[in-house]
Amino acid sequence: SQQGEEDPQALSIQEGENATMNCSYKTSINNLQWYRQNSGRGLVHLILIRSNEREKHSGRLRVTLDTSKKSSSLLITASRAADTASYFCATDARGSQGNLIFGKGTKLSVKP
Amino acid sequence: DTEVTQTPKHLVMGMTNKKSLKCEQHMGHRAMYWYKQKAKKPPELMFVYSYEKLSINESVPSRFSPECPNSSLLNLHLHALQPEDSALYLCASSRIASGSITDTQYFGPGTRLTVL
Repeated sequence: SQQGEEDPQALSIQEGENATMNCSYKTSINNLQWYRQNSGRGLVHLILIRSNEREKHSGRLRVTLDTSKKSSSLLITASRAADTASYFCATDARGSQGNLIFGKGTKLSVKP
Repeated sequence: DTEVTQTPKHLVMGMTNKKSLKCEQHMGHRAMYWYKQKAKKPPELMFVYSYEKLSINESVPSRFSPECPNSSLLNLHLHALQPEDSALYLCASSRIASGSITDTQYFGPGTRLTVL
């Protein structure tokens, strides 16, 4: 069964606004990763947060992880039109030999 | 070099054709992956190679045959595909793939496959 579930499925905002995407998962994990995909091309790794971490920053990105709720959020601050893409969370079940399971993704549209 | 390359970018094939997708990385990664992605869906894992050995086959039909000739190359041989196999095929690599550690995966741009 699918591990990660993002919400919302689609998000449309204006440039300069913040975008928040959420991800929920079902089983214990080693870490959770967020990826970005432009127009059906390859995925780009954004950030990895380990199960013993609660928050991580990278530039305009802020990721939180709540293992008690089995959920994570990705915040993009001061969004730009170039941030328009689909964003996926991916989790690995413990003992999965590196098998990442991707959520359904959030399609973000940032309007100039 | 942090790039994963895939060829071809686009492929159109008939159901009786035999074709191959190629993937290459020169980052010294010892794990390589094939994913299938249908439109508006997340990537789905097909195969994992760890140290050039097939470690995971996610119940993929035998018309898809992976091959890892060396630590830098990964092929996906296609034969007698069906129209429903049309999708974006993504290759990825990571430093390692083990039961206790999951590493960042680096993805190639994908091959857009259309089966007629």
